[in-house]
Amino acid sequence: ETGVTQTPRHLVMGMTNKKSLKCEQHLGHNAMYWYKQSAKKPLELMFVYSLEERVENNSVPSRFSPECPNSSHLFLHLHTLQPEDSALYLCASSQDNTGELFFGEGSRLTVL
Amino acid sequence: SQQGEEDPQALSIQEGENATMNCSYKTSINNLQWYRQNSGRGLVHLILIRSNEREKHSGRLRVTLDTSKKSSSLLITASRAADTASYFCATDNYGQNFVFGPGTRLSVLP
Repeated sequence: ETGVTQTPRHLVMGMTNKKSLKCEQHLGHNAMYWYKQSAKKPLELMFVYSLEERVENNSVPSRFSPECPNSSHLFLHLHTLQPEDSALYLCASSQDNTGELFFGEGSRLTVL
Repeated sequence: SQQGEEDPQALSIQEGENATMNCSYKTSINNLQWYRQNSGRGLVHLILIRSNEREKHSGRLRVTLDTSKKSSSLLITASRAADTASYFCATDNYGQNFVFGPGTRLSVLP
């Protein structure tokens, strides 16, 4: 148990669906991250929130929409995804954006 | 890009042997971290080494950092089957966010 909880752990959706991934951290950290992990590719940083403000958005398509309502919660809203978006989506948190990252177990997304 | 690159991509050893993985990067860093990932799970932080440090130990783990060569190594001594996992280095470039390498997949055979 790392103190970072992601739900759901598995999600299957069609290309026209709208769904959301949720991340919650119980560590009192002030930075939260979304990473995408595809087969045979390095982890890709998608979004960073520091003190609830988005500080990085690495050219992620608009069909991915993050939301950080408070320092403990992070969402990734998904709509009209493509099959190539199928991947493991990992949430992480840290105290400041230069310290150790604490990862959740990930949400395995399959887009049909 | 400051992306770390681990090598080898895959490593297979017998239980009890030592495993060494390397990481190279391209730009100046503030610190370098090593993470471990069991198949399909989240990453777990192993060790952080700062740019002014040359070596760190944690249990059976030993990490070295050579900033002149822009490289780091992770040594796991007396490996166990439970060490089977993927290992990633991540570099932090003075407040810019972590960039991970593609990882080394380690298999420890009983």
